[in-house]
Order: sequence, then structure tokens, then C-alpha cells
Amino acid sequence: KQEVTQIPAALSVPEGENLVLNCSFTDSAIYNLQWFRQDPGKGLTSLLLIQSSQREQTSGRLNASLDKSSGRSTLYIAASQPGDSATYLCAGGDSGGYQKVTFGIGTKLQVIP
Amino acid sequence: DVKVTQSSRYLVKRTGEKVFLECVQDMDHENMFWYRQDPGLGLRLIYFSYDVKMKEKGDIPEGYSVSREKKERFSLILESASTNQTSMYLCASSYVLGGESSNQPQHFGDGTRLSIL
Repeated sequence: KQEVTQIPAALSVPEGENLVLNCSFTDSAIYNLQWFRQDPGKGLTSLLLIQSSQREQTSGRLNASLDKSSGRSTLYIAASQPGDSATYLCAGGDSGGYQKVTFGIGTKLQVIP
Repeated sequence: DVKVTQSSRYLVKRTGEKVFLECVQDMDHENMFWYRQDPGLGLRLIYFSYDVKMKEKGDIPEGYSVSREKKERFSLILESASTNQTSMYLCASSYVLGGESSNQPQHFGDGTRLSIL
């Protein structure tokens, strides 16, 4: 059974800093890896999805990488802004069936002006 | 933009009541999902549906049922609400592209915070 871990649980950085959020998973047969953002009291917003055949995906200031052999994914945020403050969740997609995913608990990011 | 709408943001019910949570998506997505989110436990899948009238149990289906009579609407039913079902409930949907659903992102609603007293 897939297990997804995100460390640290919380992170505080000054505005403008580049930062990396970490995600690890136990089953290297992962089908895809998604990164989501969740604002307080809200649902999840999909940021990036990396297929198992890919090594990275980019969207604006965000870059996500996937290393199946080491069981790790990272989300890189360049030039962080206070508006980036949120909880970031990663989710590993199952290889079988209808897109069953396993979520990490998330990293709560605070960007200090 | 995909819109997933959950009927209530906040809901308070009493123990033993039958509770209905409604979710509607406007993008003709085949897949729909119900999750609950609890502090320290993250998101856990309750049920999902890959077509009208089709459903599959997720990781924690006990105490819940679902209904999908129309493609755009997926309902979660708490048959007899209990205090341990107090939680944030999130609905999601995703597209099937060429028969392949596993590489399409899930789109989420804003959630329903349900309190059972």
C-alpha cells in the first residue's frame, strides 16, 4: 500500500527566498505524482501533475520533479511571495484503476513579508 | 475553468440523522470522488464513481453511501450520522482522456465542514 510523507509539516521563509518542499513515497510503481495547494478552509487546487514517464513539470515559478528510484518528489518555488502562503500537498497516483491517489498530510508554508 | 460546487460550506446535524452532501461539476467529467480530511490524517477516499450509477468503495466507506443518478451530480449520504463523522468533506472530479483517467488532475470543490452534535 502506497504511503506518502511530507516533511517538514510547517515551513516559514522570508519573502523572495527560493524554497523546496519535499515529498516521499514508498511504492516506486507510482503512476503519477500531483502537487496541490490548499488555502485555509478551502478545497485543493491542482498545481502540477508529473506522469511516471516524466522527470519534471514547470508552471511559472513552480517546478516539480519526480525520482521514482529514490521515492522522492520535490516542489521548487522560486522568488517566494506572501501570496504563496498555503498548505501544499502531494499525492501519489495508483497504477491500477480509476485514478486512486494517496495524499500526504501536507507542508504548511508561511512566506513572511 | 472547471467548477466543482458543493451545496453547503458549513452544516450542523444531530446524531442519528440521515445527512446528504451534494456535489455538482460542470465539465462533463466521468470520474467523481468523495474524501474526508481530518487533522493529522490527511485526505482519505470514501467513495468514487467512474460513471453514472457506478461506484467503488474507497478506503473508509463504512457508515457512508453514495448516489450518482446524473453524470454531473455525486451525492454522499451519511445513513445515521455519528459524532466521529464530524469532518471536512471534499468532492473532486476528473476527466477521462481516450479511456485513460490516471493522468488527469483532480479538481476539487471548496469543501463542506460538517459537525455532528
